[in-house]
Amino acid sequence: EAEVAQSPRYKITEKSQAVAFWCDPISGHATLYWYRQILGQGPELLVQFQDESVVDDSQLPKDRFSAERLKGVDSTLKIQPAELGDSAMYLCASSGTGFGVGANVLTFGAGSRLTVL
Amino acid sequence: AQKITQTQPGMFVQEKEAVTLDCTYDTSDPSYGLFWYKQPSSGEMIFLIYQGSYDQQNATEGRYSLNFQKARKSANLVISASQLGDSAMYFCAMREGFGAGGTSYGKLTFGQGTILTVHP
Repeated sequence: EAEVAQSPRYKITEKSQAVAFWCDPISGHATLYWYRQILGQGPELLVQFQDESVVDDSQLPKDRFSAERLKGVDSTLKIQPAELGDSAMYLCASSGTGFGVGANVLTFGAGSRLTVL
Repeated sequence: AQKITQTQPGMFVQEKEAVTLDCTYDTSDPSYGLFWYKQPSSGEMIFLIYQGSYDQQNATEGRYSLNFQKARKSANLVISASQLGDSAMYFCAMREGFGAGGTSYGKLTFGQGTILTVHP
Protein backbone atom coordinates (compact mmCIF):
# COMPACT_ATOMS: atom_id res chain seq x y z
CA GLU A 1 0.00 0.00 0.00
CA ALA A 2 1.33 3.44 -0.96
CA GLU A 3 2.57 5.56 1.93
CA VAL A 4 3.63 9.09 2.70
CA ALA A 5 7.21 8.98 3.99
CA GLN A 6 8.43 11.42 6.62
CA SER A 7 11.72 11.88 8.43
CA PRO A 8 12.94 12.16 11.06
CA ARG A 9 10.32 10.51 13.27
CA TYR A 10 11.66 12.25 16.33
CA LYS A 11 13.78 15.36 16.71
CA ILE A 12 15.05 17.00 19.88
CA THR A 13 16.70 20.37 19.52
CA GLU A 14 17.58 23.39 21.57
CA LYS A 15 15.88 26.70 21.06
CA SER A 16 17.50 28.98 18.49
CA GLN A 17 18.75 25.97 16.50
CA ALA A 18 17.63 25.14 12.98
CA VAL A 19 15.56 22.04 12.23
CA ALA A 20 14.29 20.50 9.00
CA PHE A 21 11.66 17.91 8.18
CA TRP A 22 11.34 15.96 4.94
CA CYS A 23 8.27 14.47 3.27
CA ASP A 24 7.86 12.25 0.23
CA PRO A 25 4.19 12.02 -0.84
CA ILE A 26 2.44 9.15 -2.56
CA SER A 27 3.65 8.90 -6.14
CA GLY A 28 1.46 10.94 -8.45
CA HIS A 29 -0.16 13.03 -5.73
CA ALA A 30 -0.05 16.63 -6.83
CA THR A 31 -1.20 18.19 -3.57
CA LEU A 32 1.01 18.17 -0.49
CA TYR A 33 0.21 19.55 2.94
CA TRP A 34 2.16 20.30 6.10
CA TYR A 35 0.15 20.35 9.32
CA ARG A 36 1.22 21.16 12.87
CA GLN A 37 -0.46 19.37 15.74
CA ILE A 38 0.06 20.55 19.30
CA LEU A 39 -0.50 17.83 21.89
CA GLY A 40 -4.19 17.35 22.63
CA GLN A 41 -5.40 19.49 19.73
CA GLY A 42 -6.45 19.00 16.14
CA PRO A 43 -3.92 19.50 13.32
CA GLU A 44 -3.67 22.96 11.78
CA LEU A 45 -2.55 23.61 8.23
CA LEU A 46 0.80 25.35 7.85
CA VAL A 47 1.23 25.19 4.09
CA GLN A 48 -0.38 23.57 1.05
CA PHE A 49 1.34 22.93 -2.28
CA GLN A 50 -0.22 22.21 -5.64
CA ASP A 51 2.69 20.70 -7.58
CA GLU A 52 5.54 23.10 -6.81
CA SER A 53 3.36 26.13 -6.12
CA VAL A 54 2.19 27.32 -2.72
CA VAL A 55 -1.61 27.41 -2.57
CA ASP A 56 -2.08 28.38 1.07
CA ASP A 57 0.54 29.49 3.59
CA SER A 58 -1.62 31.91 5.52
CA GLN A 59 -0.90 30.20 8.86
CA LEU A 60 2.82 29.69 8.29
CA PRO A 61 4.95 31.87 10.64
CA LYS A 62 7.09 33.16 7.81
CA ASP A 63 9.63 34.87 10.04
CA ARG A 64 10.96 31.49 11.12
CA PHE A 65 9.28 28.80 9.00
CA SER A 66 9.92 28.03 5.35
CA ALA A 67 8.71 25.27 3.07
CA GLU A 68 9.65 24.22 -0.43
CA ARG A 69 8.70 21.63 -2.97
CA LEU A 70 11.15 22.42 -5.74
CA LYS A 71 10.36 19.70 -8.28
CA GLY A 72 6.77 19.17 -7.24
CA VAL A 73 7.55 15.86 -5.57
CA ASP A 74 9.14 15.76 -2.12
CA SER A 75 9.09 18.67 0.28
CA THR A 76 11.11 20.16 3.13
CA LEU A 77 9.80 22.19 6.06
CA LYS A 78 12.39 24.24 7.94
CA ILE A 79 12.30 26.12 11.21
CA GLN A 80 15.01 28.65 12.04
CA PRO A 81 15.38 29.55 14.83
CA ALA A 82 13.31 27.02 16.76
CA GLU A 83 11.36 28.27 19.77
CA LEU A 84 9.93 26.41 22.76
CA GLY A 85 6.40 26.85 21.39
CA ASP A 86 7.32 24.95 18.23
CA SER A 87 7.27 21.65 20.11
CA ALA A 88 4.60 19.66 18.28
CA MET A 89 3.94 16.88 15.80
CA TYR A 90 4.51 17.92 12.19
CA LEU A 91 2.34 15.93 9.84
CA CYS A 92 2.73 15.71 6.09
CA ALA A 93 -0.14 14.58 3.89
CA SER A 94 -0.87 14.24 0.19
CA SER A 95 -3.92 13.88 -2.01
CA GLY A 96 -4.57 13.14 -5.66
CA THR A 97 -6.83 14.64 -8.29
CA GLY A 98 -9.88 13.38 -10.06
CA PHE A 99 -13.32 12.41 -8.95
CA GLY A 100 -14.52 10.61 -5.86
CA VAL A 101 -13.39 9.65 -2.40
CA GLY A 102 -9.96 8.43 -3.41
CA ALA A 103 -9.02 11.77 -4.88
CA ASN A 104 -10.24 13.82 -1.95
CA VAL A 105 -8.94 11.84 1.00
CA LEU A 106 -5.72 13.09 2.52
CA THR A 107 -3.23 10.33 3.29
CA PHE A 108 -0.95 11.21 6.19
CA GLY A 109 2.57 10.19 7.01
CA ALA A 110 3.61 8.94 10.45
CA GLY A 111 4.65 12.45 11.49
CA SER A 112 7.76 14.08 12.90
CA ARG A 113 7.61 14.79 16.63
CA LEU A 114 9.66 17.87 17.56
CA THR A 115 10.77 18.71 21.08
CA VAL A 116 12.45 22.07 21.62
CA LEU A 117 14.44 22.40 24.88
CA ALA B 1 -15.20 31.09 13.56
CA GLN B 2 -14.96 27.43 14.50
CA LYS B 3 -15.82 25.39 11.43
CA ILE B 4 -15.74 21.96 13.04
CA THR B 5 -16.97 21.38 16.58
CA GLN B 6 -16.51 18.22 18.60
CA THR B 7 -18.12 18.76 21.98
CA GLN B 8 -17.04 15.50 23.63
CA PRO B 9 -13.46 15.72 24.92
CA GLY B 10 -13.65 12.09 26.04
CA MET B 11 -15.97 9.12 25.65
CA PHE B 12 -16.04 5.70 27.29
CA VAL B 13 -17.66 2.58 25.89
CA GLN B 14 -17.83 -1.07 26.87
CA GLU B 15 -16.29 -3.57 24.49
CA LYS B 16 -18.79 -4.90 21.89
CA GLU B 17 -21.15 -1.96 22.41
CA ALA B 18 -21.85 0.85 19.94
CA VAL B 19 -20.72 4.43 20.45
CA THR B 20 -21.53 7.73 18.73
CA LEU B 21 -18.99 10.53 18.43
CA ASP B 22 -20.53 13.93 17.73
CA CYS B 23 -19.48 16.45 15.11
CA THR B 24 -21.12 19.64 13.91
CA TYR B 25 -19.80 21.87 11.17
CA ASP B 26 -20.33 25.28 9.69
CA THR B 27 -19.99 26.22 6.03
CA SER B 28 -21.72 28.32 3.41
CA ASP B 29 -20.20 26.30 0.58
CA PRO B 30 -22.85 23.98 -0.93
CA SER B 31 -20.18 21.50 -2.00
CA TYR B 32 -18.05 20.00 0.75
CA GLY B 33 -16.79 16.74 2.17
CA LEU B 34 -16.78 15.44 5.71
CA PHE B 35 -14.14 13.04 7.00
CA TRP B 36 -13.36 11.09 10.13
CA TYR B 37 -9.82 10.15 11.08
CA LYS B 38 -8.49 7.97 13.88
CA GLN B 39 -5.23 8.81 15.62
CA PRO B 40 -3.78 6.12 17.88
CA SER B 41 -1.12 6.94 20.44
CA SER B 42 1.52 6.26 17.78
CA GLY B 43 0.45 9.52 16.13
CA GLU B 44 -0.46 8.47 12.61
CA MET B 45 -3.72 9.82 11.18
CA ILE B 46 -5.82 6.98 9.76
CA PHE B 47 -8.70 7.74 7.39
CA LEU B 48 -11.94 6.03 8.40
CA ILE B 49 -14.90 7.34 6.41
CA TYR B 50 -16.03 10.09 4.03
CA GLN B 51 -19.38 11.76 3.28
CA GLY B 52 -19.93 14.15 0.40
CA SER B 53 -22.46 16.94 0.82
CA TYR B 54 -24.47 15.70 -2.16
CA ASP B 55 -24.44 12.06 -1.16
CA GLN B 56 -27.99 10.85 -0.62
CA GLN B 57 -27.14 7.96 1.64
CA ASN B 58 -25.12 7.86 4.83
CA ALA B 59 -21.63 6.48 4.35
CA THR B 60 -20.67 3.14 5.84
CA GLU B 61 -17.30 1.39 6.06
CA GLY B 62 -17.36 -1.88 7.95
CA ARG B 63 -18.08 -1.11 11.60
CA TYR B 64 -18.05 2.65 10.92
CA SER B 65 -21.05 4.62 9.75
CA LEU B 66 -21.60 8.33 9.40
CA ASN B 67 -24.92 9.76 10.55
CA PHE B 68 -25.19 12.73 8.19
CA GLN B 69 -27.90 15.28 8.97
CA LYS B 70 -27.38 18.07 6.48
CA ALA B 71 -30.06 20.45 7.77
CA ARG B 72 -28.61 20.24 11.27
CA LYS B 73 -25.05 20.37 9.93
CA SER B 74 -24.01 17.34 11.87
CA ALA B 75 -21.89 14.36 10.85
CA ASN B 76 -21.69 11.96 13.76
CA LEU B 77 -19.52 8.85 13.64
CA VAL B 78 -21.07 5.61 14.83
CA ILE B 79 -18.77 2.73 15.73
CA SER B 80 -20.59 -0.55 16.17
CA ALA B 81 -19.31 -3.50 18.20
CA SER B 82 -16.43 -1.56 19.79
CA GLN B 83 -13.07 -3.30 20.11
CA LEU B 84 -10.18 -2.59 22.46
CA GLY B 85 -8.15 -1.47 19.45
CA ASP B 86 -10.64 1.32 18.81
CA SER B 87 -9.22 3.25 21.78
CA ALA B 88 -7.72 6.36 20.18
CA MET B 89 -8.32 10.03 19.39
CA TYR B 90 -10.96 10.62 16.71
CA PHE B 91 -11.08 13.72 14.55
CA CYS B 92 -13.88 15.06 12.41
CA ALA B 93 -12.73 17.18 9.48
CA MET B 94 -14.21 19.11 6.57
CA ARG B 95 -12.97 20.05 3.15
CA GLU B 96 -14.62 22.80 1.12
CA GLY B 97 -14.14 24.09 -2.40
CA PHE B 98 -15.02 21.13 -4.58
CA GLY B 99 -14.64 21.97 -8.25
CA ALA B 100 -16.71 20.86 -11.20
CA GLY B 101 -14.60 17.76 -11.68
CA GLY B 102 -15.34 16.61 -8.14
CA THR B 103 -11.86 17.30 -6.80
CA SER B 104 -11.37 19.66 -3.90
CA TYR B 105 -8.32 21.85 -3.66
CA GLY B 106 -9.38 23.24 -0.30
CA LYS B 107 -7.62 22.49 2.93
CA LEU B 108 -8.84 19.93 5.44
CA THR B 109 -10.00 21.64 8.64
CA PHE B 110 -10.06 19.55 11.80
CA GLY B 111 -12.06 19.63 15.00
CA GLN B 112 -10.46 19.38 18.43
CA GLY B 113 -10.95 15.65 18.65
CA THR B 114 -12.60 13.14 20.98
CA ILE B 115 -10.61 10.60 23.00
CA LEU B 116 -12.38 7.24 22.93
CA THR B 117 -11.59 4.64 25.56
CA VAL B 118 -12.94 1.12 25.15
CA HIS B 119 -13.23 -0.88 28.37
CA PRO B 120 -13.06 -4.70 28.38
